[in-house]
Amino acid sequence: NAGVTQTPKFQVLKTGQSMTLQCAQDMNHNSMYWYRQDPGMGLRLIYYSASEGTTDKGEVPNGYNVSRLNKREFSLRLESAAPSQTSVYFCASSYTNRGGYTFGSGTRLTVV
Amino acid sequence: QQQVKQSPQSLIVQKGGISIINCAYENTAFDYFPWYQQFPGKGPALLIAIRPDVSEKKEGRFTISFNKSAKQFSLHIMDSQPGDSATYFCAARMEYGNKLVFGAGTILRVKS
Repeated sequence: NAGVTQTPKFQVLKTGQSMTLQCAQDMNHNSMYWYRQDPGMGLRLIYYSASEGTTDKGEVPNGYNVSRLNKREFSLRLESAAPSQTSVYFCASSYTNRGGYTFGSGTRLTVV
Repeated sequence: QQQVKQSPQSLIVQKGGISIINCAYENTAFDYFPWYQQFPGKGPALLIAIRPDVSEKKEGRFTISFNKSAKQFSLHIMDSQPGDSATYFCAARMEYGNKLVFGAGTILRVKS
């Protein structure tokens, strides 16, 4: 009963480096999401995947790409990290068209 | 532009008191309003949720009050306890799809 698992938990990148944040869920959810959390701004949607094989942009997609590898896994890639991407990243999943997201424990990313 | 406006940013309540957090929205296409609780170092967890055809929902010490005409909803925590100290987010879901828009969050501290 792991729920939503995110790796890594912490990461420090230099400006211009790339990395992929991994997310996997074991609840048979159809939909998956990537949010970033910044102080005073709540959680903002980066990308989401309503179902396997589909992805769409959210509110703040610039500088990110995603891959819905299969029903369980949804990864977030930073191609060329910038200091503005310093944030805590959360992956979440849910059943399609039904509320109640389950969130992972987050990845704290610092770009220097 | 914050689609869901949450207040206050922070709140200090004495043990046993009532904590009240307010949210307001403009988009009438929202059809589901959840509240999430987040402890430090953890992902947000669903606390309680309401649909706009209901004016109040209570689960234990937590109550959501919903005013559709005013486009406002609030979370009341009765008999607040130190263990309730956390960050609380209100959210709203668009009528189509399952994307959540979050408020900026309220940091609650319950003093013992």
